[in-house]
Amino acid sequence: KQEVTQIPAALSVPEGENLVLNCSFTDSAIYNLQWFRQDPGKGLTSLLLIQSSQREQTSGRLNASLDKSSGRSTLYIAASQPGDSATYLCAVKGESNSGYALNFGKGTSLLVTP
Amino acid sequence: NAGVTQTPKFQVLKTGQSMTLQCAQDMNHEYMSWYRQDPGMGLRLIHYSVGAGITDQGEVPNGYNVSRSTTEDFPLRLLSAAPSQTSVYFCASSYAQGASYEQYFGPGTRLTVT
Repeated sequence: KQEVTQIPAALSVPEGENLVLNCSFTDSAIYNLQWFRQDPGKGLTSLLLIQSSQREQTSGRLNASLDKSSGRSTLYIAASQPGDSATYLCAVKGESNSGYALNFGKGTSLLVTP
Repeated sequence: NAGVTQTPKFQVLKTGQSMTLQCAQDMNHEYMSWYRQDPGMGLRLIHYSVGAGITDQGEVPNGYNVSRSTTEDFPLRLLSAAPSQTSVYFCASSYAQGASYEQYFGPGTRLTVT
């Protein structure tokens, strides 16, 4: 069974810092990897999706990388802002997943202080 | 384009009661699924559907029932609510073909069973 781990579980940084969130997965036979943002009491917002054939994706201050062979992905947030405070979830779609199910990590809770 | 919508936003049930959580999407996505999110457990797949008339079980299907009579709607039924079903429920959808398979999530239904 695919296991997805996110480290650290929680992170607090001062505004303006660049930061990296880590995601690792045990089965490298993935179709894609998706990073989500979840605000307290809210749903999941898709941030970036990386296909298995890609190495990275960028959107604004966010950059996600994928090393499929080593089972790792990172989400890089540049020049962090208090509005970036949220929980960030990593999810993988395995090649063998029935029905396109995603396997989720438990998330990294990010707090950016002014 | 409303995306994925869920109703109700909040619900309190007594043990043994039944109810239906509604999910609809207007993106003509073939694939729809239900997840539950519990503290410390991450998101877990309950049921999914790859098209109208086709459903299958996910990781935690017991106590839940689904049907898919149209492409747009995918309701989740709690047959006899139990306190263990207290959770936040998310519906998601995506295309079932193509390169992306990016999944879109609804805002969630917060259910408490007393």
